[in-house]
Amino acid sequence: DQQVKQNSPSLSVQEGRISILNCDYTNSMFDYFLWYKKYPAEGPTFLISISSIKDKNEDGRFTVFLNKSAKHLSLHIVPSQPGDSAVYFCAASARDYKLSFGAGTTVTVRA
Amino acid sequence: DSGVTQTPKHLITATGQRVTLRCSPRSGDLSVYWYQQSLDQGLQFLIQYYNGEERAKGNILERFSAQQFPDLHSELNLSSLELGDSALYFCASRAWPGHHTQYFGPGTRLTVL
Repeated sequence: DQQVKQNSPSLSVQEGRISILNCDYTNSMFDYFLWYKKYPAEGPTFLISISSIKDKNEDGRFTVFLNKSAKHLSLHIVPSQPGDSAVYFCAASARDYKLSFGAGTTVTVRA
Repeated sequence: DSGVTQTPKHLITATGQRVTLRCSPRSGDLSVYWYQQSLDQGLQFLIQYYNGEERAKGNILERFSAQQFPDLHSELNLSSLELGDSALYFCASRAWPGHHTQYFGPGTRLTVL
């Protein structure tokens, strides 16, 4: 049972433009959401997170938006850079702190 | 560098064999998680330990087991290996309490031939 879904397996964006990655979840007990970035042959790297008490969190070029009523979150990367080319995983956790991951979205930033 | 270390980086073995994957958490982190990532899939939670005790189990097969030692390093034991066990295995650690963020090691790539 996939509780966290990333419906777009891939995204191609031009350098300097905005990348928007989407994530949907089904478990209403999730109260914390995270985005991880993963390069080939490396472990996932924490990028940004958001608590369910907020609807937006920003860190430099990365902004995460949370719409609890729609059970939807998104990650915006502005401006996109070549080094942003990677796989991005959305994850969610409840009070047990276990992470449930989406299948990932592969982002390719074109020069 | 997340501060989480995993060894070995690569492991190639045959069906029916047994292997042990090792993980050292970030300094001070008491909680260790194991995940499996099969080909082109998301990370699947296997098991969690906190300060030496098992705290939660996910989709972990009975052929798999884990433990966390007094120095807080953890080992994941995979036995009677099958071709389908070929995957990336990640360890993550988390500060306790109240922190959701997990920090991942570089992973062990297991290939079962």
